[in-house]
Amino acid sequence: EAGVAQSPRYKIIEKRQSVAFWCNPISGHATLYWYQQILGQGPKLLIQFQNNGVVDDSQLPKDRFSAERLKGVDSTLKIQPAKLEDSAVYLCASSRGQSGTQYFGPGTRLLVL
Amino acid sequence: EDQVTQSPEALRLQEGESSSLNCSYTVSGLRGLFWYRQDPGKGPEFLFTLYSAGEEKEKERLKATLTKKESFLHITAPKPEDSATYLCAVQAADGSQGNLIFGKGTKLSVKP
Repeated sequence: EAGVAQSPRYKIIEKRQSVAFWCNPISGHATLYWYQQILGQGPKLLIQFQNNGVVDDSQLPKDRFSAERLKGVDSTLKIQPAKLEDSAVYLCASSRGQSGTQYFGPGTRLLVL
Repeated sequence: EDQVTQSPEALRLQEGESSSLNCSYTVSGLRGLFWYRQDPGKGPEFLFTLYSAGEEKEKERLKATLTKKESFLHITAPKPEDSATYLCAVQAADGSQGNLIFGKGTKLSVKP
């Protein structure tokens, strides 16, 4: 079974630029999550989708971050404009249901200069 | 507020030297407690889920246990390939469905 796929793996941008990350979950997994992991910290949830609907985006900085999940499969997370403090690893995870085991992708490492 | 604290932050062991990692949690009703392993430059890899106090799970040299306030990850006769950061996370029974609250992790180094 193929795992969670993410791209790109690395991205370097300057502050105030925009960036987008893509995630393809495990086939058949209805629930998709985006987490932010700052160096030395555990992952923190940004947004959770159930199929193509948002379940929880309470910790998403909506003035600069946006996310969508087209047709309930792939998802895109966007940052516009980026700030220095957005430098982190952005992890995508998926699970069969809302309380199921979450499986993580390799992450996208973002550096904002 | 739901919270997870892991200790120690870092642990250095000699190959074969058994030890335990601790995960203390505060949550308003526990749906599940999860252990993940994270290697440098990779995403977290799922190890175990524990649901109720007294539950234990094993996988190779790892054994996870759960009480009402904490979980332990016991490592028996570790090998260098066990070196990684071990993350603990809890999922609350109420509030946001599915949200995992993570600790900062314990970085384990096993020297040959």
